[in-house]
Amino acid sequence: TQLLEQSPQFLSIQEGENLTVYCNSSSVFSSLQWYRQEPGEGPVLLVTVVTGGEVKKLKRLTFQFGDARKDSSLHITAAQPGDTGLYLCAGPPQGDSNYQLIWGAGTKLIIKP
Amino acid sequence: DAGITQSPRHKVTETGTPVTLRCHQTENHRYMYWYRQDPGHGLRLIHYSYGVKDTDKGEVSDGYSVSRSKTEDFLLTLESATSSQTSVYFCAARLQQLTEAFFGQGTRLTVV
Repeated sequence: TQLLEQSPQFLSIQEGENLTVYCNSSSVFSSLQWYRQEPGEGPVLLVTVVTGGEVKKLKRLTFQFGDARKDSSLHITAAQPGDTGLYLCAGPPQGDSNYQLIWGAGTKLIIKP
Repeated sequence: DAGITQSPRHKVTETGTPVTLRCHQTENHRYMYWYRQDPGHGLRLIHYSYGVKDTDKGEVSDGYSVSRSKTEDFLLTLESATSSQTSVYFCAARLQQLTEAFFGQGTRLTVV
């Protein structure tokens, strides 16, 4: 079974702090996507990283894909209450012809004002 | 608006009864998926479809069946609901295999 492990599972910090969450696997992925899910809603795509070593920025969010395409990280600078949510990583394992998404269990992030 | 609508949004049903959840999309996505989301497990794939009348099983398909008679509709049926199927069910759709997955708002199902 190809797994995506996310850490930490839960993070509660004060507004203005920086944080990093991780998405790790022993398997190689064709690409990785990061989604944010708010209570009572479905996940919404934030970014897709495709190339090993790729870094993408989305305002205060920085996403990195590991060189070996087995892991990814999400760094948030100066977190704000609006960043609160469940962050999920997902990707198709390399070699899966159906490109099915394997999902991590998520990091629940709470930013306190 | 991702154009994915799930119905019902909430349902309580009794053990042993059949239940059908509906997913409707308006964007002509080819690929459609049913997931369940449970604490600590993330999203687990139940069944998916890669075209009209073309479906396949996911990792947790036991006790579930699906049908896709039209591009826009993907139905999930719990043949005889059990308490272990209490969960939040999400429908998702993708235009192509490597593109963004768009999700519905979910259906909270409780089996008593």
